[in-house]
Amino acid sequence: DIQLTQSPSSLSASVGDRVTITCRASQSINSYLNWYQQKPGKAPNLLIYAASSLQSGVPSRFSGRGSGTDFTLTISSLQPEDFATYFCQQTYRTPRTFGQGTKLEIK
Amino acid sequence: QVRLQESGPGLVKPSETLSLTCTVSGGTIRSYYWSWIRQPPGKGLEWIGDIYYSGSTNYDPSLKRRVTMSVDTSMNQFSLKLSSVTAADTAVYYCARVGQGATTPFDYWGQGTLVTVSS
Repeated sequence: DIQLTQSPSSLSASVGDRVTITCRASQSINSYLNWYQQKPGKAPNLLIYAASSLQSGVPSRFSGRGSGTDFTLTISSLQPEDFATYFCQQTYRTPRTFGQGTKLEIK
Repeated sequence: QVRLQESGPGLVKPSETLSLTCTVSGGTIRSYYWSWIRQPPGKGLEWIGDIYYSGSTNYDPSLKRRVTMSVDTSMNQFSLKLSSVTAADTAVYYCARVGQGATTPFDYWGQGTLVTVSS
């Protein structure tokens, strides 16, 4: 199985901050990496697919980069609604696997 | 707008079979892969498996022995059965659509349904 390791596991930040979350794969997954946002009690919501493509309707302050084994999700200027948990997920090979999540909290 | 809705019992006894159905509305079930994903309370996301609209399946190896998925294109539904459940199977269960192509992301999700395994 392909393991995805996110860092950090939790992060405190303020409105307006720029934050970056990292996802590292245990082997190369080309650009088959997606990012989701999950708020408490809700289903995950797709933000970024294929490492860097912004899903329709997602604000442009979200961006993704990377290929191979190292990927990042960046929020350029945190808004109050961005405080949530973020997961990366690979679709290079089954079983489809997720990172363990990064909880973004208000400082 | 595509919508997915999970349905099924919220409480299952240990050793019994968990059964859930996902109803797809606002779009066709054809030409897509459909997945089940679960999330134990306070934990991360676990992929259970996929089913293509044609009926071909792909399961997580750790659950493969206990999982069966099926699809009913006439009803625009797909289903999950998980046998011999234990407390470790307590989770919110989500159904989701994989975009067109096995390497595409989960672009639509159901709201999730909590299934508790307890006597």
